[in-house]
Amino acid sequence: GESVGLHLPTLSVQEGDNSIINCAYSNSASDYFIWYKQESGKGPQFIIDIRSNMDKRQGQRVTVLLNKTVKHLSLQIAATQPGDSAVYFCAEDSGGSNYKLTFGKGTLLTVNP
Amino acid sequence: GAVVSQHPSRVICKSGTSVKIECRSLDFQATTMFWYRQFPKQSLMLMATSNEGSKATYEQGVEKDKFLINHASLTLSTLTVTSAHPEDSSFYICSARRRDEQYFGPGTRLTVT
Repeated sequence: GESVGLHLPTLSVQEGDNSIINCAYSNSASDYFIWYKQESGKGPQFIIDIRSNMDKRQGQRVTVLLNKTVKHLSLQIAATQPGDSAVYFCAEDSGGSNYKLTFGKGTLLTVNP
Repeated sequence: GAVVSQHPSRVICKSGTSVKIECRSLDFQATTMFWYRQFPKQSLMLMATSNEGSKATYEQGVEKDKFLINHASLTLSTLTVTSAHPEDSSFYICSARRRDEQYFGPGTRLTVT
């Protein structure tokens, strides 16, 4: 099963800076990856996704990079704003017909005004 | 579009009682829904996959007789926590699949006293 710790990794940035959140995934057969944002007391909110046939995908203020060689995923947020403060999770689709997602540990992003 | 709701958002129940949580896809039909549990400062852990018209598939270590799942229609799945105990207190989140994506509900905070 997933290994989770009692303390989330944290990242603290100043408003306007760029943020980079990293994630290591476990299954080399995973072919679909998603980044979610979760605010306190709420469900996860989709940010951006990427398939394994790509190594980069850009959205509005966000970019996801995928390095399949080292099984690493990153989320870059440009010009970080206080409203970006939340826990960010990467998730991998382990394949198969059930579309099951395995979530990473999460990173708490705090944006200081 | 792609809105998922949960009811109730918060529930407090006494130890030994049962509580039912509803998950609805409001504007699309979902043949597959998922139930997750999240403890404080931890990641989402998949409990089970709920398939309309058939039995749910439970993840390893999740007691199917304790966490009853019913997916009676294409827009509704229910999770019943039977004989709840304080250690069942958690944040329960559902998601509904539409094509390749999962859409998450806002979560239900269960507190067992």
